Amino acid sequence: KAGVTQTPRYLIKTRGQQVTLSCSPISGHRSVSWYQQTPGQGLQFLFEYFSETQRNKGNFPGRFSGRQFSNSRSEMNVSTLELGDSALYLCASSLGEAHDEQYFGPGTRLTVT
Amino acid sequence: AQSVTQLGSHVSVSEGALVLLRCNYSSSVPPYLFWYVQYPNQGLQLLLKYTTGATLVKGINGFEAEFKKSETSFHLTKPSAHMSDAAEYFCAVSLMDSSYKLIFGSGTRLLVRP
Repeated sequence: KAGVTQTPRYLIKTRGQQVTLSCSPISGHRSVSWYQQTPGQGLQFLFEYFSETQRNKGNFPGRFSGRQFSNSRSEMNVSTLELGDSALYLCASSLGEAHDEQYFGPGTRLTVT
Repeated sequence: AQSVTQLGSHVSVSEGALVLLRCNYSSSVPPYLFWYVQYPNQGLQLLLKYTTGATLVKGINGFEAEFKKSETSFHLTKPSAHMSDAAEYFCAVSLMDSSYKLIFGSGTRLLVRP
């Protein structure tokens, strides 16, 4: 069974631009979660989607948004990029029950210049 | 509020020595606990998880962890370190209030000396 895939793997953007990251979950998984990983703040939860609905959201500004499609694929968008948004963005998928194991993708490395 | 504390941002052991990575949690409700490993330029891989029942949990690659409620701890151990164990390890908690998110510790980088 194929794992979680994220595209692109690397991205360089300029301050003020916007970016869209994509995540394809493991087949059969209906939940997709997004995390931001930085050296200073560590791993922080962004949001979680299940059956196209956002079920949980972390403490991030409204510039960070996401969505999930009917095939469970998910995208996250960051508008008006700031230097501090430079991070590894990880996507994880699970079956969707509380406390299910989450399977992580390799991440998208975003650099904002 | 719930939190996870990992003692030691870096731990160095000799190959063949015991690995002990410490994790303490703070939670007002019983937690589910996880250990993940991250190799360079990769995502996180689940090593093991504690839900309910047996407090000693065995995971992949010879790792195990013991849930101690009285100490609010979930330390990760491996009897004999291998060079391939060098990576960053994250302890995480998910609450029994149907939370769908993981709260991670700050991570411990394990170095294995030949």
